[in-house]
Amino acid sequence: SQELEQSPQSLIVQEGKNLTINCTSSKTLYGLYWYKQKYGEGLIFLMMLQKGGEEKSHEKITAKLDEKKQQSSLHITASQPSHAGIYLCGAFYNFNKFYFGSGTKLNVKP
Amino acid sequence: DTEVTQTPKHLVMGMTNKKSLKCEQHMGHRAMYWYKQKAKKPPELMFVYSYEKLSINESVPSRFSPECPNSSLLNLHLHALQPEDSALYLCASSQVGLAGGDTGELFFGEGSRLTVL
Repeated sequence: SQELEQSPQSLIVQEGKNLTINCTSSKTLYGLYWYKQKYGEGLIFLMMLQKGGEEKSHEKITAKLDEKKQQSSLHITASQPSHAGIYLCGAFYNFNKFYFGSGTKLNVKP
Repeated sequence: DTEVTQTPKHLVMGMTNKKSLKCEQHMGHRAMYWYKQKAKKPPELMFVYSYEKLSINESVPSRFSPECPNSSLLNLHLHALQPEDSALYLCASSQVGLAGGDTGELFFGEGSRLTVL
């Protein structure tokens, strides 16, 4: 959507390396969601951030929502081949209008 | 049960055919969504149903006709489609949001891959 911008578009990293994906909103966010999609499959929910400054972690994935609630980052520590896929941020902008960012394709080389 | 089930997984249809995609959830969610996803693109919102009523139509062509017969089911009726309509169609469900719009996560099905010949 035009409301959410993600960067980078794609990433190729060596296994074991850290990486960061960014998501920027043109409007204040009520909540920011991160999903992962394997190619051509359904979306897997990773985590949701709601409060400015909030940080959540799941296994080796950490996501933060900045204080002004217009930007989020997803950080993967010690990447593994299982982390490969497409990472999508998403958010609600109006009542029940849930839009996705442009996505970041991640490849992890063994 | 935290599943959203979509059928069929694959569908091939001609431009003159009429077919339907189906979606089912039993999580008690009262918001249900249809998304269209082309290759290498993020999912694009098509329709949203809230309490079984169509609340959002993102200017989708009338050859796509959604239906929500009850709180657990969502259909997408397809008629006179074009080859450019070939895509992965994703269904999702969530709780209905408050004024701020935030409802908690959307649960997605695995999608129905549609090919229009």
